[in-house]
Amino acid sequence: EAEVAQSPRYKITEKSQAVAFWCDPISGHATLYWYRQILGQGPELLVQFQDESVVDDSQLPKDRFSAERLKGVDSTLKIQPAELGDSAMYLCASSSLLRRETQYFGPGTRLLVL
Amino acid sequence: AQKVTQAQTEISVVEKEDVTLDCVYETRDTTYYLFWYKQPPSGELVFLIRRNSFDEQNEISGRYSWNFQKSTSSFNFTITASQVVDSAVYFCALSEAGFNKFYFGSGTKLNVKP
Repeated sequence: EAEVAQSPRYKITEKSQAVAFWCDPISGHATLYWYRQILGQGPELLVQFQDESVVDDSQLPKDRFSAERLKGVDSTLKIQPAELGDSAMYLCASSSLLRRETQYFGPGTRLLVL
Repeated sequence: AQKVTQAQTEISVVEKEDVTLDCVYETRDTTYYLFWYKQPPSGELVFLIRRNSFDEQNEISGRYSWNFQKSTSSFNFTITASQVVDSAVYFCALSEAGFNKFYFGSGTKLNVKP
């Protein structure tokens, strides 16, 4: 069964360092989402792509976060510089155009900023 | 503004008991969608169900059932004869038409003890 892939699964970094996460959606899924999930809370949408275009990045802290999906397939989320408050789980999800209501989530990347 | 409230932070039951997870939502949209996701300890979010605002019919899938009531803005989830494998965090989510924004509740952690 096709899955959303994410790497790395775990990342420990020091504050002020740069960190990047990678996501490969299910093949053929045009819509890709990045979420941040702080411990004990629900996921919060950071950015949504439709193919290579950003549909919504209103919740993305643009002073330090950036996201790209250059070829409309895989995507990278970057944080520079990382802050202590960025410690969270970063989830990637994808959905097809025909079934946009169903988002398939990857295993996530757990980030710890020291 | 859209908002999803899951007032139950954590619930503990003994195996074979029935349990209901509550979800209350707020939205000004007339067309919207409601979801339930399961997040096991591994971290991946698993899609369980979607309902649209025009379909208030209750749904049953095996041991799972969902009760959608627009009059009280609630979309509750019941697990019948709970099992240890049901232990997870369950999230209720709301999306407006177009699926451009998903709003997750804070989740309910379900502990099913043998």
